Amino acid sequence: QKEVEQNSGPLSVPEGAIASLNCTYSDRVSQSFFWYRQYSGKSPELIMSIYSNGDKEDGRFTAQLNKASQYVSLLIRDSQPSDSATYLCAVNRMGGSEKLVFGKGMKLTVNP
Amino acid sequence: DARVTQTPRHKVTEMGQEVTMRCQPILGHNTVFWYRQTMMQGLELLAYFRNRAPLDDSGMPKDRFSAEMPDATLATLKIQPSEPRDSAVYFCASPRGGGYTFGSGTRLTVV
Repeated sequence: QKEVEQNSGPLSVPEGAIASLNCTYSDRVSQSFFWYRQYSGKSPELIMSIYSNGDKEDGRFTAQLNKASQYVSLLIRDSQPSDSATYLCAVNRMGGSEKLVFGKGMKLTVNP
Repeated sequence: DARVTQTPRHKVTEMGQEVTMRCQPILGHNTVFWYRQTMMQGLELLAYFRNRAPLDDSGMPKDRFSAEMPDATLATLKIQPSEPRDSAVYFCASPRGGGYTFGSGTRLTVV
């Protein structure tokens, strides 16, 4: 089992819809969880971080964490064509400078 | 400066040649990570350094890859000899805000 798994996708949603991206992780001692967005030909950029169970909202983005189920998700409300990108889930054991393990990513396309 | 700078942006080389990639981490940050990204494998950690010392290079093929951080403003990743399977995008990153800030990457093509 890979350390961090994401649905292979791709995911296509119409403009204005909710996009739901999911991620599971295998290491129970994981403490920090991140979502990165990567546009084609660009580097990953951090869009959300979450450290405790529950929901964390930032604008149109909501990250959800369930440590008991080892599951983290990202919801994008009112999806826009500019949200079309690959979304990467990342996990690390400890905060600070420890290494991040990334999922392979899910490509999202938002159709106008 | 809160940016990570990588050079070169693109590199095309022939099999067997040496390739050197450079990274300038975020000023004042003492930890640097090297990742490789391919379609098949996604983002894989090759190595990381703290205070210029290697902490983990288990993801790096030791026979041909080497990583160093000669000073706090420069990290290098070398491949010698390069092979076509090394074709990928290589990113370095500095920790920032709990996550990482990535450089723009070096797109390496080995023919």
